[in-house]
Amino acid sequence: DADVTQTPRNRITKTGKRIMLECSQTKGHDRMYWYRQDPGLGLRLIYYSFDVKDINKGEISDGYSVSRQAQAKFSLSLESAIPNQTALYFCAISGTTSGGTSSYNEQFFGPGTRLTVL
Amino acid sequence: GDSVTQMEGPVTLSEEAFLTINCTYTATGYPSLFWYVQYPGEGLQLLLKATKADDKGSNKGFEATYRKETTSFHLEKGSVQVSDSAVYFCALMDSSYKLIFGSGTRLLVRP
Repeated sequence: DADVTQTPRNRITKTGKRIMLECSQTKGHDRMYWYRQDPGLGLRLIYYSFDVKDINKGEISDGYSVSRQAQAKFSLSLESAIPNQTALYFCAISGTTSGGTSSYNEQFFGPGTRLTVL
Repeated sequence: GDSVTQMEGPVTLSEEAFLTINCTYTATGYPSLFWYVQYPGEGLQLLLKATKADDKGSNKGFEATYRKETTSFHLEKGSVQVSDSAVYFCALMDSSYKLIFGSGTRLLVRP
C-alpha cells in the first residue's frame, strides 16, 4: 500500500550525525505517528501529531524531535545519533481524511526505515 | 498503565497445523483490540480487530475473540500455510487513540 511513504528506506550513519526521516501520506488523514521497532520489544511510540499544530511526546521521545510541515508530512529527526537508536522506524496515519472519512480506530503503517548508527 | 502481553516465539509449525498465539491485556475501560502482521521486509498490516467484548474479528482464515472476563484476544487459525510465516503483533488502542503493542510473536511454518 503506497498511501504512506517513508524515506529513506535504509540509512547507515555515524554517531553524532544529524538524521532526518521523512513520512508522507496521500490519504489526507489528520493524525500521524512515529514508532520504533526493536527485536523483542514490539513497537514503541516516539511522537504523534493530531493536527498540523498539535505535537505530542510518546513513550520514548528523548533524543528525537519531529516536525509536521503540512497535513501530509511528518518528519522525525535525530539531532545527534547514537548507536542505541539503531532500529526500524515506522510512520503511521489515522483519523479523519480530507474527504470526511473517519478511521480513528485503525492505523495504517508505512513500509519502515531501517536505521543503523555506527 | 495499559499493556499487552503476548507469547514469546518463535512458534514453529508444520503446514496445515492449528495455530494459537496467546495475547492478554491490561487496560482501564474496554479498549479496541487488534492483531497486526509483519511479513519479512515489510511494514505492519492490520490483520483483524474487535471493538467490544465478545466481538470476533476475522480475516484470511485467522480469528480472535475479545474476551473481557479473561482480558484476552488470542489469535487462531485452523490450518496454517507457509505463506503465513511472519511476525504477529497484538495491540490495544488506549483512550487517547494511541496503539500499545505486545512484543510480537514470530511464526515459522514449514512445508
